[in-house]
Amino acid sequence: GESVGLHLPTLSVQEGDNSIINCAYSNSASDYFIWYKQESGKGPQFIIDIRSNMDKRQGQRVTVLLNKTVKHLSLQIAATQPGDSAVYFCAEVRGNTGKLIFGQGTTLQVKP
Amino acid sequence: GAVVSQHPSRVICKSGTSVKIECRSLDFQATTMFWYRQFPKKSLMLMATSNEGSKATYEQGVEKDKFLINHASLTLSTLTVTSAHPEDSSFYICSASHVDEQYFGPGTRLTVT
Repeated sequence: GESVGLHLPTLSVQEGDNSIINCAYSNSASDYFIWYKQESGKGPQFIIDIRSNMDKRQGQRVTVLLNKTVKHLSLQIAATQPGDSAVYFCAEVRGNTGKLIFGQGTTLQVKP
Repeated sequence: GAVVSQHPSRVICKSGTSVKIECRSLDFQATTMFWYRQFPKKSLMLMATSNEGSKATYEQGVEKDKFLINHASLTLSTLTVTSAHPEDSSFYICSASHVDEQYFGPGTRLTVT
């Protein structure tokens, strides 16, 4: 069935390094994607979004890349900090209903 | 701005009882709210879409008679877990739509003993 999933369940990086978190989606008609950060015991927090008419979008220390040809998303975090440790989810927005279909999540562990 | 709260943050109840979880948009009005369920180390699963003044739309496999949703005002949606069982223990998260974004509540940890 249709799904939004992530390649790696856990990513461990050294503080100060760059992190890359990947996501694959299967619905080629999807045109809006969002990355969320979820800390333990809390709700998801919006990080950055991208629409299908773009292939790259940058925020503060974060960049999202979209490759529609292979239906792949990535989130790049520059100069990863201990406060970046969390679970990261990509989500696909379905049509005009606003429904979010979440991927499996990647746990980012930042080593001091 | 765009703050969503949930109450309670944690609740423990006995099997067979019902539990109500509230989701409030504090500084905006939300005609649409969403309810999600999350198991440990798993992703968020959409349970239902709550529309103010109308019946909720449930996702496939979610029992509407077990998870009662009421969206009586533009700032409040409630989820009632009826006749709770231990397998209903989970982290329940709501979100509220504002402009083009969804804002998430902090979640409610439900434990059924």
